[in-house]
Amino acid sequence: DAGVTQSPTHLIKTRGQQVTLRCSPKSGHDTVSWYQQALGQGPQFIFQYYEEEERQRGNFPDRFSGHQFPNYSSELNVNALLLGDSALYLCASSPRRYTEAFFGQGTRLTVV
Amino acid sequence: DQQVKQNSPSLSVQEGRISILNCDYTNSMFDYFLWYKKYPAEGPTFLISISSIKDKNEDGRFTVFLNKSAKHLSLHIVPSQPGDSAVYFCAATASGTYKYIFGTGTRLKVLA
Repeated sequence: DAGVTQSPTHLIKTRGQQVTLRCSPKSGHDTVSWYQQALGQGPQFIFQYYEEEERQRGNFPDRFSGHQFPNYSSELNVNALLLGDSALYLCASSPRRYTEAFFGQGTRLTVV
Repeated sequence: DQQVKQNSPSLSVQEGRISILNCDYTNSMFDYFLWYKKYPAEGPTFLISISSIKDKNEDGRFTVFLNKSAKHLSLHIVPSQPGDSAVYFCAATASGTYKYIFGTGTRLKVLA
């Protein structure tokens, strides 16, 4: 049983560009959350998708957007990249509330 | 506003001894708490959780204690093993919300 898979694992982008990160949840999971982890910090919640809708959003600007597909996979899009967007982006999936979320290995985004 | 705090950035323990990792929170609405372990280049891995209706939960070598009046939780690892060396994050969530709030992590080093 594959866990949460994310692609790509590493990415280098230039300021002002746009990026799309992808996530496939663990089998049987229908809820996908995205987190940003800056160096030396804990993961910070970006948003969560359930039934193809954004269910909750953290304190991130509108440059961060997402999508969930009918097969529960998800994308995170970031527009107009800033140097400060450089971080590890983590996807987590879960089957329901109050169940531990399973994380993917993350995508390391570097903005230059 | 850091609602979940891990005030010890690092901890070193001898193999076979007890490791105690601490976490404090400020939001009294939090009612579910989790511990995750993270190795370099991997995503966080779920360890153990506790609901606010309990004050202790055990799973093998891992025990989490919750003191609601002090808004404090701790993770005990007994006995500690070199493979436990990793960064440990505590996280909290509340009814009516879908996001986890993470602390900044404690790096545990278990010395052989």
